[in-house]
Amino acid sequence: DGGITQSPKYLFRKEGQNVTLSCEQNLNHDAMYWYRQDPGQGLRLIYYSQIVNDFQKGDIAEGYSVSREKKESFPLTVTSAQKNPTAFYLCASSMPALADTQYFGPGTRLTVL
Amino acid sequence: AQSVSQHNHHVILSEAASLELGCNYSYGGTVNLFWYVQYPGQHLQLLLKYFSGDPLVKGIKGFEAEFIKSKFSFNLRKPSVQWSDTAEYFCAVNSDRGSTLGRLYFGRGTQLTVWP
Repeated sequence: DGGITQSPKYLFRKEGQNVTLSCEQNLNHDAMYWYRQDPGQGLRLIYYSQIVNDFQKGDIAEGYSVSREKKESFPLTVTSAQKNPTAFYLCASSMPALADTQYFGPGTRLTVL
Repeated sequence: AQSVSQHNHHVILSEAASLELGCNYSYGGTVNLFWYVQYPGQHLQLLLKYFSGDPLVKGIKGFEAEFIKSKFSFNLRKPSVQWSDTAEYFCAVNSDRGSTLGRLYFGRGTQLTVWP
């Protein structure tokens, strides 16, 4: 059963703590993406990776970090430097060609208390 | 950077009404265009996409969209909506340049509510 998994579905953390969100795909896609979704603001790109061991900042990378050590995995760390971390986080993957569709995971809702 | 505008933030319709959601983008080069849908509690999924050929694109569940290059638009349409179409709809444009090749630029989304 191919797809993208994100865990956990809900995550609670105290202010000042770093937290890592998991994203795994078994679609054999080269490219992976992290988005943040807030009400009325659509999806905003945090980081993306076109290939293993390489990634680029998106539009709102401040306060976040990523790694891409394996093709299947693209974890996102929300650091204490992120001023407003409470949000819904979506991971996606695609083949990197121009017209390829991005496939999305179920998302993780992070709440920082 | 490219930008995508969705002018309708919330649309409320009765069942059987016709739907048109507007989408305009700013980029003048080669574009690929997408509409994604997010049903309540479900994954974001592709509704339809345009990358070349016939500018009238048909998608799942009776949706279609028309690419009008001169207007930089990619409006989504459905002749008769159903209660099950209640969802949030996102328009997106692909980048074809350099280091941003393949990334999507999303609009802010339109929440569609269909009353039975």
